[in-house]
Amino acid sequence: EVQLVESGGGLVQPGRSMKLSCAASGFTFSNYGMAWVRQAPTKGLEWVATISYDGSSTYYRDSVKGRFTISRDNAKSTLYLQMNSLRSEDTATYYCTRGAYWGQGVMVTVSS
Amino acid sequence: DVVMTQTPVSLSVSLGGQTSISCRSSQSLVHSDGNTYLYWYLQKPGQSPQLLIYKVSNRFSGVPDRFSGSGSGTDFTLKISRVEPEDLGVYYCYQGTHYPPTFGAGTKLELK
Repeated sequence: EVQLVESGGGLVQPGRSMKLSCAASGFTFSNYGMAWVRQAPTKGLEWVATISYDGSSTYYRDSVKGRFTISRDNAKSTLYLQMNSLRSEDTATYYCTRGAYWGQGVMVTVSS
Repeated sequence: DVVMTQTPVSLSVSLGGQTSISCRSSQSLVHSDGNTYLYWYLQKPGQSPQLLIYKVSNRFSGVPDRFSGSGSGTDFTLKISRVEPEDLGVYYCYQGTHYPPTFGAGTKLELK
């Protein structure tokens, strides 16, 4: 059974950093590209970043480019999202996804 | 960015009834590889999104045949027949043909 389990969320002050993790199981992690998608409270879904199966290619939405870094450790079957210079508008539930499969999401609240 | 316009914003249906959701893109979603990367997701209350349809008309594993997707180019439709209580939630269309990937704003399906 495919499982994606996010961790690392919480409350953080504007301008600070936070790192999300997504532990994958039930499939060969190193064979798949992965992505982060977020959802602000009461809002719709918004793609954040994608990484290729081997980590050689990464893509970001403009609003996070230069602040967020997506990465992966295939030996640990884990996806990461390093978020720096956080803003109030980054407040959202962050989902790790393989397209057809999604984690349960982790809440990130940026507030002073 | 490709804008995905979903209509209607909300739908009220009777159990056992039939309904459809429209999704129009601001650019053709036909990729240079010949595929059309148009997907439909359902997000039930308090849950992560779940994939219903991939590449316009293919039902994902375990999705009932009450759900069907159709369309081409810039115009796509999700049809739901014999609506059941478990179908309630917010439906999103999503395009993965062009970067950045984009979602529609969602269509909320409620019971009449």
